[in-house]
Amino acid sequence: DTGVSQDPRHKITKRGQNVTFRCDPISEHNRLYWYRQTLGQGPEFLTYFQNEAQLEKSRLLSDRFSAERPKGSFSTLEIQRTEQGDSAMYLCASSLEALAGFREQFFGPGTRLTVL
Amino acid sequence: AQKVTQAQTEISVVEKEDVTLDCVYETRDTTYYLFWYKQPPSGELVFLIRRNSFDEQNEISGRYSWNFQKSTSSFNFTITASQVVDSAVYFCALSEATGRRALTFGSGTRLQVQP
Repeated sequence: DTGVSQDPRHKITKRGQNVTFRCDPISEHNRLYWYRQTLGQGPEFLTYFQNEAQLEKSRLLSDRFSAERPKGSFSTLEIQRTEQGDSAMYLCASSLEALAGFREQFFGPGTRLTVL
Repeated sequence: AQKVTQAQTEISVVEKEDVTLDCVYETRDTTYYLFWYKQPPSGELVFLIRRNSFDEQNEISGRYSWNFQKSTSSFNFTITASQVVDSAVYFCALSEATGRRALTFGSGTRLQVQP
């Protein structure tokens, strides 16, 4: 397997700007998850997709956040009007969900966002 | 609601010592999965193990072993003869057995192995 990739790895932006992150999952994986990790904490679930359908959004995901997964392949996470509290590592993970069972989630390297 | 507690924030050991990382979880589900992930300084979470709540058999993989005790809601991780390369943050996580399977993580234990 080629692993999960994320772009960019680092993003520095000014408060109020919009940012977009991209995640490319493992090719045969039909599920894609977004998590957010702040310093000294474990990752927290934000949202997930089964193929192209976004099935659930966490209460952590405010209206300023939007995620898409067109055609069930790569996914984007956009944050509008960034705030300093959005500074965190944004992690993407993918997994395979099948009738016979599932594969565990494999994580990308993350995008570290700093909002000045 | 699900919750994972890793009470040990940081552990420091000398190389070749054995070390156990504790994990206690809470869930109302009767079936669920437990996981351990490693996050080295590079930042990428690396999957180590998955355990089904029906399977309480302990597992050993090389220097790593896991002790799952449903009666005490614990899923502890032991590294035998630790090495400097084991230095990382280790996360215990819990997911539903079906549905979204989103991971609920503990806050992690930072392991420092000194040469």
